[in-house]
Amino acid sequence: DAGVIQSPRHEVTEMGQEVTLRCKPISGHNSLFWYRQTMMRGLELLIYFNNNVPIDDSGMPEDRFSAKMPNASFSTLKIQPSEPRDSAVYFCASSQDLNQPQHFGDGTRLSIL
Amino acid sequence: QKEVEQDPGPLSVPEGAIVSLNCTYSNSAFQYFMWYRQYSRKGPELLMYTYSSGNKEDGRFTAQVDKSSKYISLFIRDSQPSDSATYLCAMIDSNYQLIWGAGTKLIIKP
Repeated sequence: DAGVIQSPRHEVTEMGQEVTLRCKPISGHNSLFWYRQTMMRGLELLIYFNNNVPIDDSGMPEDRFSAKMPNASFSTLKIQPSEPRDSAVYFCASSQDLNQPQHFGDGTRLSIL
Repeated sequence: QKEVEQDPGPLSVPEGAIVSLNCTYSNSAFQYFMWYRQYSRKGPELLMYTYSSGNKEDGRFTAQVDKSSKYISLFIRDSQPSDSATYLCAMIDSNYQLIWGAGTKLIIKP
């Protein structure tokens, strides 16, 4: 079975550029989560969706961050404009429902120069 | 005080030893408990999922939940160098809020 698929795996871009991260959840999963992981702060939940609807975006650090889920098989996390402090590994995860365990993709390693 | 406390380690043990990893929590509303393993440059991988007090075993791994003490553990028997990774605990409360531990870095020495 295909797991959670994220793209790109690596992204290096200059400060001020727009960055779009993509995620395809596991088929049949109703909940989707975006995380950011750094050495300093560990794993941080940014936003999550249930049945394509954003439920809680209180973890989104600033208005520069936005996320969409136009359908059950695709989600994007966008940063515009990007800043060096946004450099981190961004993970997408999905689960069958909100109280079920999450399954993670391999992440996007983002470097903002 | 954090809702979930987990010693970041590193925890270094010799190959073949029994490993004990632990998390404590303060919110009695947590109902679901999970352990994840994360290798370098990979996403967290689900190891164990449980929603009741007691023990759950899967191969060399045993998850233990003590809701009265607000304490969960993951035991690894016959530890192998390939078990070297960061282990994260995670919990879900009755409002479906998921809280993560900081992760414990485990090193198994051959």
